[in-house]
Amino acid sequence: AQSVTQLDSQVPVFEEAPVELRCNYSSSVSVYLFWYVQYPNQGLQLLLKYLSGSTLVKGINGFEAEFNKSQTSFHLRKPSVHISDTAEYFCAVSEGQGAQKLVFGQGTRLTINP
Amino acid sequence: GAVVSQHPSRVICKSGTSVKIECRSLDFQATTMFWYRQFPKQSLMLMATSNEGSKATYEQGVEKDKFLINHASLTLSTLTVTSAHPEDSSFYICSAPGGGGYTFGSGTRLTVV
Repeated sequence: AQSVTQLDSQVPVFEEAPVELRCNYSSSVSVYLFWYVQYPNQGLQLLLKYLSGSTLVKGINGFEAEFNKSQTSFHLRKPSVHISDTAEYFCAVSEGQGAQKLVFGQGTRLTINP
Repeated sequence: GAVVSQHPSRVICKSGTSVKIECRSLDFQATTMFWYRQFPKQSLMLMATSNEGSKATYEQGVEKDKFLINHASLTLSTLTVTSAHPEDSSFYICSAPGGGGYTFGSGTRLTVV
């Protein structure tokens, strides 16, 4: 069964600084990888996803992530953060697309300080 | 794009009563719906998977008689929390495969008093 580990539960960053949120996964088969953002008392919004092809994936709001199969990682990055990026970020993995369940990491709370 | 409409967004109920949460897929057919529960400051934990026209599959440790799932049509899945207790207070979110990935409802904040 697949699993996801987000190594940092909280990440404080100053505004306009770069940020990296780390995600490692474990699976015995090929996986599809996702990053979601959650604002307080709201559902999840997809930031980006890796299904196949280029290992560097660009998403919304200036975020990008790189799939590294040898290190089983899918770290999320943004070169310059804004106050509005303050939220909870979840990495998730599914073993195949479609009707396969998503397994989530523990989440990383990103706090942007002025 | 694909949208899943989830209602209600918030509900407060008395201990011992039942609450129904609905998730509707708009503009696409959801043969599968995943139901997650999220406690404060925690991640999403999969509770069950519903499939249209068949019985739901529950994750280990989830009481199927307490959390009743119905997926009677290709656009509607419901979760009923029966005989709710304060420990059932949580954020419940549904998700359907679609739009090239997974589409999530906006969530239901359940508070049992």
